[in-house]
Amino acid sequence: DARVTQTPRDKVTEMGQEVTMRCQPILGHNTVFWYRQTMMQGLELLAYFRNRAPLDDSGMPKDRFSAEMPDATLATLKIQPSEPRDSAVYFCASGLAGTGGEAFFGQGTRLTVV
Amino acid sequence: SQQGEEDPQALSIQEGENATMNCSYKTSINNLQWYRQNSGRGLVHLILIRSNEREKHSGRLRVTLDTSKKSSSLLITASRAADTASYFCATISGGSYIPTFGRGTSLIVHP
Repeated sequence: DARVTQTPRDKVTEMGQEVTMRCQPILGHNTVFWYRQTMMQGLELLAYFRNRAPLDDSGMPKDRFSAEMPDATLATLKIQPSEPRDSAVYFCASGLAGTGGEAFFGQGTRLTVV
Repeated sequence: SQQGEEDPQALSIQEGENATMNCSYKTSINNLQWYRQNSGRGLVHLILIRSNEREKHSGRLRVTLDTSKKSSSLLITASRAADTASYFCATISGGSYIPTFGRGTSLIVHP
């Protein structure tokens, strides 16, 4: 049963600490998305990779956020230093470009920065 | 920024009734998708309709697309309590294949 796996599911951290979220996309998918969901802003695209290359990270605060794909089985999203306004649910999704853009979502990482 | 905007924001109905949600968008699209999100979970893809299609069915789901009005609707027939969730439309434009989501409709189906 292919699925996108995200770790951790929940993270509580203090302001100023580094946070790393990990995602294992579905094997064979060539696109990976990072979204952030909040009540105020809804679902915002943070970063988009195709074939492991970052194509769009315009939605990501560059001074504190970074997204990488060290290999085809791992995508990471880092926040350093974290701030209370970063509290949100972060979703990773993967898909196959050229098939219509259907995205398969992980269960999300609920981040709370205190 | 949101491309699609769902309407209504919230919908409360009784089991067995039909639920209709609407989505409006701003720019031309390749396709439009509907997703469901149960509380505390990730989004799940429900159905995709291409820009050259007008209607599509999947089980109890019926999706329509009117590109002249830049709008889509999702109809859930004979709703069940298990349909309680948030429903999002997402548009795909250009060659990027990036789904751009609206804010969603929160559906509550009372048993």
